[in-house]
Amino acid sequence: GAGVSQSPRYKVAKRGQDVALRCDPISGHVSLFWYQQALGQGPEFLTYFQNEAQLDKSGLPSDRFFAERPEGSVSTLKIQRTQQEDSAVYLCASSLAPNTEAFFGQGTRLTVV
Amino acid sequence: EDKVVQSPLSLVVHEGDTVTLNCSYEVTNFRSLLWYKQEKKAPTFLFMLTSSGIEKKSGRLSSILDKKELFSILNITATQTGDSAVYLCAVEPSSGNTGKLIFGQGTTLQVKP
Repeated sequence: GAGVSQSPRYKVAKRGQDVALRCDPISGHVSLFWYQQALGQGPEFLTYFQNEAQLDKSGLPSDRFFAERPEGSVSTLKIQRTQQEDSAVYLCASSLAPNTEAFFGQGTRLTVV
Repeated sequence: EDKVVQSPLSLVVHEGDTVTLNCSYEVTNFRSLLWYKQEKKAPTFLFMLTSSGIEKKSGRLSSILDKKELFSILNITATQTGDSAVYLCAVEPSSGNTGKLIFGQGTTLQVKP
Protein backbone atom coordinates (compact mmCIF):
# COMPACT_ATOMS: atom_id res chain seq x y z
CA GLY A 1 0.00 0.00 0.00
CA ALA A 2 0.91 3.67 -0.14
CA GLY A 3 1.63 3.93 3.54
CA VAL A 4 1.22 2.19 6.88
CA SER A 5 -2.46 1.82 7.65
CA GLN A 6 -3.88 1.27 11.11
CA SER A 7 -7.41 0.48 12.21
CA PRO A 8 -9.48 1.46 13.96
CA ARG A 9 -8.41 5.10 14.23
CA TYR A 10 -10.24 5.43 17.54
CA LYS A 11 -11.35 2.81 20.03
CA VAL A 12 -13.22 3.26 23.27
CA ALA A 13 -13.20 0.20 25.52
CA LYS A 14 -14.75 -0.46 28.87
CA ARG A 15 -12.29 -1.51 31.54
CA GLY A 16 -11.84 -5.26 31.40
CA GLN A 17 -12.74 -5.55 27.73
CA ASP A 18 -10.33 -7.12 25.20
CA VAL A 19 -9.27 -5.08 22.16
CA ALA A 20 -7.46 -5.85 18.90
CA LEU A 21 -5.59 -3.21 16.93
CA ARG A 22 -4.59 -3.84 13.33
CA CYS A 23 -1.58 -2.67 11.34
CA ASP A 24 -1.12 -3.00 7.57
CA PRO A 25 2.53 -2.21 6.84
CA ILE A 26 3.90 -0.97 3.54
CA SER A 27 3.94 -3.88 1.12
CA GLY A 28 7.25 -5.74 1.15
CA HIS A 29 8.49 -4.23 4.39
CA VAL A 30 10.30 -6.81 6.48
CA SER A 31 10.45 -4.96 9.78
CA LEU A 32 7.40 -3.98 11.83
CA PHE A 33 7.29 -2.13 15.15
CA TRP A 34 4.61 -1.29 17.69
CA TYR A 35 4.97 1.76 19.93
CA GLN A 36 2.77 3.14 22.71
CA GLN A 37 2.48 6.92 23.07
CA ALA A 38 0.88 8.31 26.21
CA LEU A 39 -0.43 11.86 26.19
CA GLY A 40 2.38 14.39 26.21
CA GLN A 41 5.09 11.74 25.94
CA GLY A 42 7.25 10.33 23.18
CA PRO A 43 6.50 6.92 21.70
CA GLU A 44 7.75 3.94 23.71
CA PHE A 45 8.81 0.72 22.05
CA LEU A 46 6.59 -2.31 22.58
CA THR A 47 7.65 -5.04 20.17
CA TYR A 48 9.44 -5.81 16.91
CA PHE A 49 8.84 -8.31 14.10
CA GLN A 50 11.14 -9.36 11.33
CA ASN A 51 8.79 -10.99 8.84
CA GLU A 52 6.64 -13.32 10.98
CA ALA A 53 9.20 -13.72 13.75
CA GLN A 54 8.75 -11.65 16.90
CA LEU A 55 12.39 -10.92 17.71
CA ASP A 56 11.93 -8.42 20.52
CA LYS A 57 8.98 -8.09 22.88
CA SER A 58 10.89 -6.49 25.71
CA GLY A 59 8.67 -3.38 25.73
CA LEU A 60 5.33 -5.13 26.27
CA PRO A 61 4.20 -3.80 29.67
CA SER A 62 2.44 -6.94 30.89
CA ASP A 63 1.26 -10.37 29.84
CA ARG A 64 -2.06 -8.76 28.90
CA PHE A 65 -0.35 -7.46 25.77
CA PHE A 66 0.13 -9.83 22.86
CA ALA A 67 1.20 -9.18 19.27
CA GLU A 68 1.32 -11.38 16.21
CA ARG A 69 2.22 -11.21 12.53
CA PRO A 70 1.44 -14.72 11.34
CA GLU A 71 2.12 -14.31 7.61
CA GLY A 72 4.80 -11.66 7.85
CA SER A 73 2.52 -8.86 6.67
CA VAL A 74 -0.49 -7.63 8.70
CA SER A 75 0.07 -7.42 12.43
CA THR A 76 -2.39 -7.36 15.32
CA LEU A 77 -1.76 -6.00 18.80
CA LYS A 78 -4.15 -7.48 21.32
CA ILE A 79 -4.72 -6.13 24.79
CA GLN A 80 -6.67 -8.32 27.19
CA ARG A 81 -8.64 -7.07 30.18
CA THR A 82 -7.90 -3.43 29.38
CA GLN A 83 -7.06 -1.05 32.20
CA GLN A 84 -7.25 2.74 32.32
CA GLU A 85 -3.47 3.02 32.14
CA ASP A 86 -3.61 1.35 28.71
CA SER A 87 -5.20 4.53 27.30
CA ALA A 88 -2.73 5.84 24.72
CA VAL A 89 -2.07 6.14 21.01
CA TYR A 90 -0.68 2.90 19.60
CA LEU A 91 1.62 3.52 16.66
CA CYS A 92 2.75 0.97 14.13
CA ALA A 93 5.82 1.49 11.94
CA SER A 94 7.41 -0.55 9.17
CA SER A 95 10.74 -0.47 7.38
CA LEU A 96 12.04 -2.18 4.28
CA ALA A 97 14.83 -3.91 6.21
CA PRO A 98 16.34 -3.76 9.70
CA ASN A 99 18.06 -0.45 10.48
CA THR A 100 16.46 1.44 7.58
CA GLU A 101 14.06 4.38 7.75
CA ALA A 102 10.82 3.51 9.51
CA PHE A 103 7.48 4.85 8.30
CA PHE A 104 4.73 5.38 10.86
CA GLY A 105 1.00 4.88 10.61
CA GLN A 106 -1.56 7.37 11.92
CA GLY A 107 -2.02 5.33 15.06
CA THR A 108 -5.01 4.05 17.01
CA ARG A 109 -6.16 6.17 19.93
CA LEU A 110 -7.38 3.80 22.65
CA THR A 111 -9.44 5.20 25.49
CA VAL A 112 -10.33 2.87 28.35
CA VAL A 113 -13.27 4.06 30.42
CA GLU B 1 19.45 2.82 31.01
CA ASP B 2 19.27 4.31 27.52
CA LYS B 3 17.46 7.64 27.45
CA VAL B 4 16.80 10.71 25.32
CA VAL B 5 16.04 14.15 26.76
CA GLN B 6 14.67 17.02 24.72
CA SER B 7 14.49 20.69 25.56
CA PRO B 8 12.62 22.88 25.73
CA LEU B 9 9.43 20.88 26.21
CA SER B 10 7.42 23.63 24.57
CA LEU B 11 8.09 26.80 22.65
CA VAL B 12 5.95 29.62 21.27
CA VAL B 13 7.40 31.87 18.56
CA HIS B 14 6.16 34.21 15.85
CA GLU B 15 6.38 33.65 12.14
CA GLY B 16 9.80 34.49 10.81
CA ASP B 17 11.64 33.63 14.01
CA THR B 18 14.46 31.08 14.12
CA VAL B 19 14.24 28.25 16.63
CA THR B 20 16.72 25.72 17.97
CA LEU B 21 15.54 22.48 19.49
CA ASN B 22 17.87 20.40 21.64
CA CYS B 23 18.29 16.68 22.12
CA SER B 24 20.73 14.98 24.47
CA TYR B 25 21.10 11.24 24.82
CA GLU B 26 22.68 8.42 26.75
CA VAL B 27 22.90 5.09 24.98
CA THR B 28 25.15 2.10 25.49
CA ASN B 29 25.87 1.53 21.80
CA PHE B 30 24.96 4.30 19.38
CA ARG B 31 23.99 3.70 15.77
CA SER B 32 22.06 6.82 14.71
CA LEU B 33 19.93 9.74 15.86
CA LEU B 34 16.71 10.65 14.10
CA TRP B 35 14.39 13.64 14.09
CA TYR B 36 10.67 13.33 13.39
CA LYS B 37 7.87 15.88 13.05
CA GLN B 38 4.54 14.83 14.55
CA GLU B 39 1.36 16.55 13.50
CA LYS B 40 -1.92 14.91 14.44
CA LYS B 41 -0.59 11.42 15.10
CA ALA B 42 1.87 9.98 12.56
CA PRO B 43 5.51 10.99 13.08
CA THR B 44 7.12 11.88 9.75
CA PHE B 45 10.83 11.47 9.17
CA LEU B 46 13.05 14.55 8.96
CA PHE B 47 16.69 13.54 9.37
CA MET B 48 18.95 10.65 10.27
CA LEU B 49 22.37 11.54 11.68
CA THR B 50 25.20 9.11 12.18
CA SER B 51 28.40 11.18 12.01
CA SER B 52 29.51 14.11 14.13
CA GLY B 53 29.81 17.58 12.67
CA ILE B 54 28.08 16.94 9.36
CA GLU B 55 25.06 19.19 8.94
CA LYS B 56 22.00 17.78 7.26
CA LYS B 57 19.77 20.32 5.58
CA SER B 58 16.32 20.29 4.05
CA GLY B 59 14.89 23.64 3.11
CA ARG B 60 14.56 25.76 6.24
CA LEU B 61 15.39 22.83 8.52
CA SER B 62 18.88 21.69 9.46
CA SER B 63 20.37 19.39 12.05
CA ILE B 64 23.77 18.44 13.38
CA LEU B 65 25.10 15.79 15.72
CA ASP B 66 27.88 15.94 18.32
CA LYS B 67 28.80 12.38 19.30
CA LYS B 68 31.42 13.53 21.79
CA GLU B 69 29.03 15.67 23.82
CA LEU B 70 26.08 13.34 23.05
CA PHE B 71 23.62 15.86 21.67
CA SER B 72 21.95 17.07 18.53
CA ILE B 73 20.18 20.27 17.54
CA LEU B 74 17.40 20.90 15.06
CA ASN B 75 17.24 24.41 13.62
CA ILE B 76 14.26 25.90 11.85
CA THR B 77 14.76 29.28 10.19
CA ALA B 78 12.05 31.71 9.06
CA THR B 79 9.38 29.71 10.86
CA GLN B 80 5.89 29.41 9.40
CA THR B 81 2.60 28.46 11.05
CA GLY B 82 2.84 25.12 9.25
CA ASP B 83 5.91 24.31 11.33
CA SER B 84 3.69 24.03 14.41
CA ALA B 85 4.02 20.44 15.58
CA VAL B 86 5.71 18.18 18.10
CA TYR B 87 9.32 17.49 17.16
CA LEU B 88 10.61 14.13 18.32
CA CYS B 89 14.22 13.09 18.70
CA ALA B 90 15.03 9.37 18.77
CA VAL B 91 18.18 7.33 19.13
CA GLU B 92 18.76 3.94 17.55
CA PRO B 93 21.05 1.70 19.61
CA SER B 94 23.28 -0.62 17.62
CA SER B 95 22.64 -3.53 19.97
CA GLY B 96 19.81 -5.80 18.87
CA ASN B 97 20.18 -4.84 15.20
CA THR B 98 16.47 -4.20 14.76
CA GLY B 99 16.02 -0.49 14.23
CA LYS B 100 14.19 -0.10 17.55
CA LEU B 101 14.05 3.60 18.52
CA ILE B 102 14.26 5.29 21.91
CA PHE B 103 12.32 8.55 21.80
CA GLY B 104 12.52 11.71 23.83
CA GLN B 105 9.42 13.45 25.20
CA GLY B 106 9.24 15.78 22.26
CA THR B 107 9.26 19.56 21.91
CA THR B 108 5.92 21.19 21.16
CA LEU B 109 6.45 24.14 18.84
CA GLN B 110 3.71 26.68 18.24
CA VAL B 111 4.29 29.31 15.57
CA LYS B 112 1.93 32.26 15.79
CA PRO B 113 1.05 34.40 12.77
